[in-house]
Amino acid sequence: EAGVAQSPRYKIIEKRQSVAFWCNPISGHATLYWYQQILGQGPKLLIQFQNNGVVDDSQLPKDRFSAERLKGVDSTLKIQPAKLEDSAVYLCASSLAAGSHYEQYFGPGTRLTVT
Amino acid sequence: DAKTTQPNSMESNEEEPVHLPCNHSTISGTDYIHWYRQLPSQGPEYVIHGLTSNVNNRMASLAIAEDRKSSTLILHRATLRDAAVYYCILRSYNSGNTPLVFGKGTRLSVIA
Repeated sequence: EAGVAQSPRYKIIEKRQSVAFWCNPISGHATLYWYQQILGQGPKLLIQFQNNGVVDDSQLPKDRFSAERLKGVDSTLKIQPAKLEDSAVYLCASSLAAGSHYEQYFGPGTRLTVT
Repeated sequence: DAKTTQPNSMESNEEEPVHLPCNHSTISGTDYIHWYRQLPSQGPEYVIHGLTSNVNNRMASLAIAEDRKSSTLILHRATLRDAAVYYCILRSYNSGNTPLVFGKGTRLSVIA
């Protein structure tokens, strides 16, 4: 079974530029998550989708971050404009459904460096 | 979500058992105890979870205290591949949507 795919794996941009990350979840998984992991900390949930609808985006900085999951499969996370403090690893995860019973499967992440 | 407390780091010799502790004194009756680990340069991966009884799977064992205020993840024979950050997370099964809330976890080093 193929895992969660993310691209790119690494990205370096200057502050005030924009950047987009792509995620392809495990086939058949209805729930998709984006996490931000700053160096030395655990991942922090940014947004959760159930199919193509947003379930929780309470911790997404909506003035600069946006995410979409068209057709309920792939998802993109965008930052515009980027700030220095956005330097982090962005992790995508998916699960069969939204309940706590379901294990989350994580991708390898995209490491973003903002200079 | 109820909070968990874990040591920042632990060290183990290869092929010896490792006991990773987690305190969760404010756990509620509907909270399951989940463990995930994150290997270097990878995303987290599920290890094990339990409610009240001890649990075993191919990766590890989970021992849960009788009062449920603490638990221990047991790796029976640590290998170099087990070097990772281990996260102990409480997830409520009371509602349909409870996200994973990660703390800083325990960084396990395995010495050859």
